[in-house]
Amino acid sequence: DVKVTQSSRYLVKRTGEKVFLECVQDMDHENMFWYRQDPGLGLRLIYFSYDVKMKEKGDIPEGYSVSREKKERFSLILESASTNQTSMYLCASSFDRTARELFFGEGSRLTVL
Amino acid sequence: QQQVKQSPQSLIVQKGGISIINCAYENTAFDYFPWYQQFPGKGPALLIAIRPDVSEKKEGRFTISFNKSAKQFSLHIMDSQPGDSATYFCAASRGGGGATNKLIFGTGTLLAVQP
Repeated sequence: DVKVTQSSRYLVKRTGEKVFLECVQDMDHENMFWYRQDPGLGLRLIYFSYDVKMKEKGDIPEGYSVSREKKERFSLILESASTNQTSMYLCASSFDRTARELFFGEGSRLTVL
Repeated sequence: QQQVKQSPQSLIVQKGGISIINCAYENTAFDYFPWYQQFPGKGPALLIAIRPDVSEKKEGRFTISFNKSAKQFSLHIMDSQPGDSATYFCAASRGGGGATNKLIFGTGTLLAVQP
């Protein structure tokens, strides 16, 4: 089975802190994605990566950056956390660029105080 | 043009009943329409998907109906069970071009099946 692991399930941070959300997949997938999930807004794409050191902006990249130094690992970075970034963050991976099936992690719930 | 509109936001169905969730899109370039199911505390998982060259796809109790001219598609859950209680997301994506495809998700429907 494909496994996408998000290292932190729950985080509480203060406004202005730098936050790292880590994601690892074990199936040698090309593509990795970061979404945020908010009630009534569904899943919104923040950033995605189709190769090591490659990244592309999604629909809501403002306030976020990403890092992909190794194929299996994709990190989401909040340079200076703000309260409006309190959300559930979901990492996903797909086998190839068609992205016909995404495999999601269990999510990281971030609260920014 | 990138949006996928989903309704209803929440749905309560009696055990054994039919659950129906609807989605509409605007971008006619979309060519792949999956549904994802998310249980509490878990990430979404692919449930069923359809391409626009067919009008219906069935997998067990789950059926996607697709209306290309109306740019609408829906998920039907027959004989709904309490274990089907979850959040359901429709999505759409566009293939080809060599660039990585992105799934555009709807806003989700919280389904509760009462015993």
